[in-house]
Amino acid sequence: DGGITQSPKYLFRKEGQNVTLSCEQNLNHDAMYWYRQDPGQGLRLIYYSQIVNDFQKGDIAEGYSVSREKKESFPLTVTSAQKNPTAFYLCASSISPGTPSYNEQFFGPGTRLTVL
Amino acid sequence: DQQVKQNSPSLSVQEGRISILNCDYTNSMFDYFLWYKKYPAEGPTFLISISSIKDKNEDGRFTVFLNKSAKHLSLHIVPSQPGDSAVYFCAASGDSNYQLIWGAGTKLIIKP
Repeated sequence: DGGITQSPKYLFRKEGQNVTLSCEQNLNHDAMYWYRQDPGQGLRLIYYSQIVNDFQKGDIAEGYSVSREKKESFPLTVTSAQKNPTAFYLCASSISPGTPSYNEQFFGPGTRLTVL
Repeated sequence: DQQVKQNSPSLSVQEGRISILNCDYTNSMFDYFLWYKKYPAEGPTFLISISSIKDKNEDGRFTVFLNKSAKHLSLHIVPSQPGDSAVYFCAASGDSNYQLIWGAGTKLIIKP
């Protein structure tokens, strides 16, 4: 079955530590995204990548970093510089930019990060 | 400044009746709109979309209506079923970088 996997489902970290969230897709999608969801808010874009070895900052990139070394993988690192990292993190992917269905993003199950 | 607004945080509807979820947008450059459904602690799943060249799109129990002059779209679910209880997000695109702009979501509760 094709899909997007995120691991772990729940993650706890101590304040001041960096942590990396995994996102893998086997949909052969070119584009991948990281969102953050806070209670009562919509999804806010952290970073996105439309092609391997290239990525762009979203609306709230400060305190986060990403890499896109492989088409199927887009890990997100939450650094100690992120002032309020406790949130639900969602990874998504979509097919090639410019195709009619490009806007339809497919999501993973999410990772809930809690900073203690 | 929110470009996509879902002004109702929650909506309660009797099972079997029609559910109407609303979404307003401010950016006239948006040309593609999507609705997603989300259960707690899960990722959103795509429901239905509409291009700005249309004013209606239907898929089974789900219909999306677009009123470009009012910058308003709505999702109709009929008949509503218990499994429809979830948070529904409206999203829009039209930027040159293909990003989706999301509303804050509406929690739909279907009462038995």
